[in-house]
Amino acid sequence: RKEVEQDPGPFNVPEGATVAFNCTYSNSASQSFFWYRQDCRKEPKLLMSVYSSGNEDGRFTAQLNRASQYISLLIRDSKLSDSATYLCVVNENNNDMRFGAGTRLTVKP
Amino acid sequence: DGGITQSPKYLFRKEGQNVTLSCEQNLNHDAMYWYRQDPGQGLRLIYYSQIVNDFQKGDIAEGYSVSREKKESFPLTVTSAQKNPTAFYLCASNPLEGGYTFGSGTRLTVV
Repeated sequence: RKEVEQDPGPFNVPEGATVAFNCTYSNSASQSFFWYRQDCRKEPKLLMSVYSSGNEDGRFTAQLNRASQYISLLIRDSKLSDSATYLCVVNENNNDMRFGAGTRLTVKP
Repeated sequence: DGGITQSPKYLFRKEGQNVTLSCEQNLNHDAMYWYRQDPGQGLRLIYYSQIVNDFQKGDIAEGYSVSREKKESFPLTVTSAQKNPTAFYLCASNPLEGGYTFGSGTRLTVV
């Protein structure tokens, strides 16, 4: 079983749609969680950290469910520029970061 | 501006050749990491270092070597023992808490 699992997609959505990604992790002792965005042939960039209470940054909302061991990312009012691969990252212990393979999103006009 | 610089952006290696990928950061971060990314796969950890003059093997260290003589620098050598080195290599750093900052990556191809 993979440590961090994501649906690879692709998710193809029209502009303005709301789209949600889930990510499950296997290590219940994991300490911190992040969503990264990666554009084609570029490095990943931190999109947002995920806190137990959930957090929102503009059109993006991240949530953590420790009991079920998953995190989610919700994107509202999708823009063309949101097209990218979204990586789920779990800090298992002492900065032992585990990456999901990513979920590819394409937002179409 | 603070950040991580990787060089070169593209690198071509002949069979049996060792090559070294550079990673420099001016963020004053203690921890540095090397990851490899293959198409359709998550990032896999090659080596990491949490302090100068100390480093640890990651999940796929075979065929690679590193050094950490300065806080700012964490070069990765891909040796001839690495049989499938073609990949996108990413260097990252973080201040022991919080998310990573990544360099722009080196794309290595065997010719």
